[in-house]
Amino acid sequence: DGGITQSPKYLFRKEGQNVTLSCEQNLNHDAMYWYRQDPGQGLRLIYYSQIVNDFQKGDIAEGYSVSREKKESFPLTVTSAQKNPTAFYLCASSPGGVVSNQPQHFGDGTRLSIL
Amino acid sequence: GQNIDQPTEMTATEGAIVQINCTYQTSGFNGLFWYQQHAGEAPTFLSYNVLDGLEEKGRFSSFLSRSKGYSYLLLKELQMKDSASYLCAVRGNYQLIWGAGTKLIIKP
Repeated sequence: DGGITQSPKYLFRKEGQNVTLSCEQNLNHDAMYWYRQDPGQGLRLIYYSQIVNDFQKGDIAEGYSVSREKKESFPLTVTSAQKNPTAFYLCASSPGGVVSNQPQHFGDGTRLSIL
Repeated sequence: GQNIDQPTEMTATEGAIVQINCTYQTSGFNGLFWYQQHAGEAPTFLSYNVLDGLEEKGRFSSFLSRSKGYSYLLLKELQMKDSASYLCAVRGNYQLIWGAGTKLIIKP
């Protein structure tokens, strides 16, 4: 079955540590996205990529980094510069670009907590 | 600025009908999505409206009025499994803008 796989489901970070969240899709979608979801707030866009080897900052990119070396993969690194990283992180993909009329498909999310 | 408003929480009874509203003020409008999200899970696509009027899909319908900046999601014959958050998202000129979501609680 086609879909988006995020791992791990739960992740714990120590102070000063970088952590990487994995996102893999086998839907053959060009565009991929990373969102952060906090209680009582809408999804906020961290980074997006519309093509391999290219990505753009979203609204809250500070303290995060991404890469897009393969069409299927879009890992997110939460760096030590991100001072409030505790959140639910969602990866998504879509056939079209960031304002496409095609719906985005989401992975099951990674919940990141600070130790 | 860009703003999407949805009620934070709603409660309804199993078997009943509920309407979840979404109002938006955005720089540009190119369509509106509704998603369902169960707690701790991925959002899943429900409907998409780009023209005014009602779109019906089984027990779920979605309505759009572009002149009023308003949409609603109508859920009929509510089931316990409909307990979830419902997210409204607007296609702006440069990005998808998300509402905070409405948590729907279904009581027996």
